[in-house]
Amino acid sequence: AQTVTQSQPEMSVQEAETVTLSCTYDTSESDYYLFWYKQPPSRQMILVIRQEAYKQQNATENRFSVNFQKAAKSFSLKISDSQLGDAAMYFCEKMGLGGSQGNLIFGKGTKLSVKP
Amino acid sequence: DTAVSQTPKYLVTQMGNDKSIKCEQNLGHDTMYWYKQDSKKFLKIMFSYNNKELIINETVPNRFSPKSPDKAHLNLHINSLELGDSAVYFCASSEDTEAFFGQGTRLTVV
Repeated sequence: AQTVTQSQPEMSVQEAETVTLSCTYDTSESDYYLFWYKQPPSRQMILVIRQEAYKQQNATENRFSVNFQKAAKSFSLKISDSQLGDAAMYFCEKMGLGGSQGNLIFGKGTKLSVKP
Repeated sequence: DTAVSQTPKYLVTQMGNDKSIKCEQNLGHDTMYWYKQDSKKFLKIMFSYNNKELIINETVPNRFSPKSPDKAHLNLHINSLELGDSAVYFCASSEDTEAFFGQGTRLTVV
């Protein structure tokens, strides 16, 4: 069975500092998509960043970037210049090719706290 | 316009009751999902439909029955509600490269 593992149930970072959330996954597919979602207390699921597995270049969205290591099946999220509004649950997700396979797999989440 | 909308947002009901949560997406996506998020924030897939056909049915009590009248709707009906059913239920839809989530329905069974 395919799995997504987030080994850090909780993380804490000082405001303005950098934090990295880890994610590893297991798949037999050669092509797929990886995502990080943020879930603030409002519980809305917000897409943070997306990586296409066939692209070697790491995705970047403003203060958010990923370190995608396909061979190692690792997909970590780096948050630079952390802000209080970054405090939330972060979920790593893997989507099968095309997204129409009904195959969205989530990790168990990492709760990020940001200290002022 | 909300891409994926769930109703109701909150639902409080007594044990033994039957309730439904509705989900509609206006994105034209083929695939829709129901997820359950428990008190530990774990997101667990319950069902997935593609073009109104069930393609994923995880180990879920048969008190839970999804219904997809058309491609844009995936409703979740729950019979004989139990205390352990209390959770947040998320509907989502996806196509190709991204999934979109509803705002969640917090179900509380008392």
